[in-house]
Formats: sequence, structure tokens, C-alpha cells
Amino acid sequence: EVQLVESGGGLVQPGGSLRLSCAASGFTFSRHWMSWVRQAPGKGLEWVANVNQDESEKYSVDSVKGRFTVSRDNAKNSLFLQMNSLRAEDTAVYYCASHENYAFDFWGQGTLVTVSS
Amino acid sequence: DIQMTQSPSSLSASVGDRVTITCRASQSISSYLNWYQQKPGKAPKLLIYAASSLQSGVPSRFSASGSGTDFTLTISSLQPEDFATYYCQQSYSNPWTFGQGTKVEIK
Repeated sequence: EVQLVESGGGLVQPGGSLRLSCAASGFTFSRHWMSWVRQAPGKGLEWVANVNQDESEKYSVDSVKGRFTVSRDNAKNSLFLQMNSLRAEDTAVYYCASHENYAFDFWGQGTLVTVSS
Repeated sequence: DIQMTQSPSSLSASVGDRVTITCRASQSISSYLNWYQQKPGKAPKLLIYAASSLQSGVPSRFSASGSGTDFTLTISSLQPEDFATYYCQQSYSNPWTFGQGTKVEIK
């Protein structure tokens, strides 16, 4: 059974940092692109960043460029999102998701990030 | 960025109804279009990929079609467990973008 389990969310002050983790199991993690997708409270879905199998390709949405960094550790079946200079508008549930057939085929349960003073 | 526009934003329907949701892209995305279902407090679930391919385990009452800029998701006979929000999403080019969602509510 595929499992993606996010952790690392919480309350942080504006300008602060957080590092999200996603532990993957039940599939060959190293063979898949991976993404972070977020959802602000009561809002729709927004893709945040993705990374290819060997980290040679990484992309992110303009609103987080220069602040968020996606990375992975294939030996530990883990995906990460380092979030710096956090803003109120980054408040959201953050999901990790695996890619297959150019779609997000499996999702974690999400971790809530709240940016507030 | 490619903008995805869904219609309607919400709809009310009864169990057994046929429901159709449309999604329009701001430019051609070929068949790089996916559909997701999300229930309150839960992660999204992939229903359809590549515009019309049913994801494994998804009931056959869900179907989808389209290419280029115009796409549709159809639920042939709405079931109680289908009341949820549905999102389209393009994977033609970065940044991958979602529609704003269509909430399907009980009439």
C-alpha cells in the first residue's frame, strides 16, 4: 500500500522558517517525480514545487521562488520542503504527492502550516 | 501561466442524476488534463488522468473527455459518496495549475 506521511508543520511567525518532510513507502520512491501542493483554508489547490528522480530538475511556483527549496533523499524515501521568509499568505495545508502519467497519483494526508504573529 | 476555469463553481444534484463539470484552459494543453475529487478534511484523490483515462479503482460511473482547451467530467449516476469538490489540473507546462473547483452538493 502506498503511503505518504507529511510532518513538520506548525505555527511560525512571519519571516520564520520551517522544514516539511514527507516519508514515502509502498512504492519505488526513487523512480518518481514528487511534488508539494498546498491548500489555503477554504481555498483551492495550488502546486508549489516539484523535483525529479535525481534532483537534477526542480521547479517552483513564482510566489515561493527564492524562499522555498524542494529536495529529496532517495536512500531514506523522503521528500522535503525548506520554507524560509514565511508570509501570512503561505498559511495552508501542505500535501506531498507522487507523479505518475503526468498526474498526482498519490497524496499524503497533509500538514498544516500557520504563519502568524 | 496557463489558467484553468471550471464551471459551474457549484451545483446541487440528487442521487441518480447525471452531472457534468466543464474545464477550460487558457491555451491548448493537448490531453494533459487530470481530474481530482476532494472531500472535506481529506486529501484530493485522482479520478482521471490524460483527459480520459480512468485511474485504477475509480468507479466506471466517472468518465471524462476533451482535448485542446475544453474538457468535461461526467458522473453518470450520482451516488451519495460523490458529493465532494472536483478539480481539474493541467500538466502541460510548469507551473502545473488547477481549476478553482466545483462543489457538488446534495439537492
